[in-house]
Amino acid sequence: KNEVEQSPQNLTAQEGEFITINCSYSVGISALHWLQQHPGGGIVSLFMLSSGKKKHGRLIATINIQEKHSSLHITASHPRDSAVYICAVSQLSGGGADGLTFGKGTHLIIQP
Amino acid sequence: DGGITQSPKYLFRKEGQNVTLSCEQNLNHDAMYWYRQDPGQGLRLIYYSQIVNDFQKGDIAEGYSVSREKKESFPLTVTSAQKNPTAFYLCASSMAAGPRTEAFFGQGTRLTVV
Repeated sequence: KNEVEQSPQNLTAQEGEFITINCSYSVGISALHWLQQHPGGGIVSLFMLSSGKKKHGRLIATINIQEKHSSLHITASHPRDSAVYICAVSQLSGGGADGLTFGKGTHLIIQP
Repeated sequence: DGGITQSPKYLFRKEGQNVTLSCEQNLNHDAMYWYRQDPGQGLRLIYYSQIVNDFQKGDIAEGYSVSREKKESFPLTVTSAQKNPTAFYLCASSMAAGPRTEAFFGQGTRLTVV
């Protein structure tokens, strides 16, 4: 089974700072997902990527398949970005959410 | 608006009682999933269903049961056999069980057993 490691576990930054959250995994994957969980608990899918880079607003996700590593960047961070960010990987076999392995999450706090 | 609805948001039960968590989706998704989240741990798969009237055990199915009588509904019952039922439970769905299929999550139900 894939091992998914996220770093850092906790991150506190000031509003406006550039944020980077890292995710590494141990076995080849078909796709990597970045999810956002707000204090209420609900989870929103931010990105699903299998190569290269994706951008949505102030969020950027990159993946390096050879190095088995992905990063989530937040530019011009804002207090509303405060949440838990979760990395999950889809196995090469199996599919959908039954094939997902989740990291433990990175708890991000952006202070005004 | 299409989405996944979990109810209730908070649930309290006495030890030894069975309790059923509701999950409904109007996304016309074939696949549905139940996860458990504990502090400091990643989400763990309890059960999943790829089609109506069929479901499979996930990594931590012991003490739980599910049904999938309708495409839009996938209720989870936490039975008295579950040793540590207090947790946050998340339901998800996806269009199909493919390797690059995006999953959509509900808002979760926080179950506390006293």
